[in-house]
Amino acid sequence: GAVVSQHPSRVICKSGTSVKIECRSLDFQATTMFWYRQFPKKSLMLMATSNEGSKATYEQGVEKDKFLINHASLTLSTLTVTSAHPEDSSFYICSARAASGTSEQFFGPGTRLTVL
Amino acid sequence: GQSLEQPSEVTAVEGAIVQINCTYQTSGFYGLSWYQQHDGGAPTFLSYNALDGLEETGRFSSFLSRSDSYGYLLLQELQMKDSASYFCAVSRGGATNKLIFGTGTLLAVQP
Repeated sequence: GAVVSQHPSRVICKSGTSVKIECRSLDFQATTMFWYRQFPKKSLMLMATSNEGSKATYEQGVEKDKFLINHASLTLSTLTVTSAHPEDSSFYICSARAASGTSEQFFGPGTRLTVL
Repeated sequence: GQSLEQPSEVTAVEGAIVQINCTYQTSGFYGLSWYQQHDGGAPTFLSYNALDGLEETGRFSSFLSRSDSYGYLLLQELQMKDSASYFCAVSRGGATNKLIFGTGTLLAVQP
């Protein structure tokens, strides 16, 4: 149990385009999902906290208009990188916390974004 | 500011024991978790300490000293498949219980 999926696993796009990444909890309901960014051989940096039915809470220094987050249901959160540029190339990972019980976060497999 | 410091790299041989340290300075502390991440993969949960002391889970153990803002992950009977990055992470509690990750330690297990 407690499986989180992400789609797509890899995406390559041209500079200036927007890219949407989906994060789904497959076998549990997640009131809270988190979005992280990870550069090669670096740590996971929390970008934002996504709560179902409400606006996401962004960490300091993360541009809200650049990284649009929508948490439309208890099993789906999306991250849209708008007007992507090469410096947005990174590994994006989501995690989900179950609606009930444990505070443990379950991580998705990540999405590698390359902006040309 | 907030910081979680770990050694950047550790090398050990198969069958050995290795300890990965984590010192933290955060606003808000609820517990310390440890995650393993293989290259290009998802972080997987290893262990969690909310209280001082040692938690043992198979070959992996984790220790926490809240008064020293310090913890470590102990890996015993190292196997080649243990080669990966290891991250400590502080749970800050509160409604969302966000995780703040450490700098990460790359463990290389050699034959």
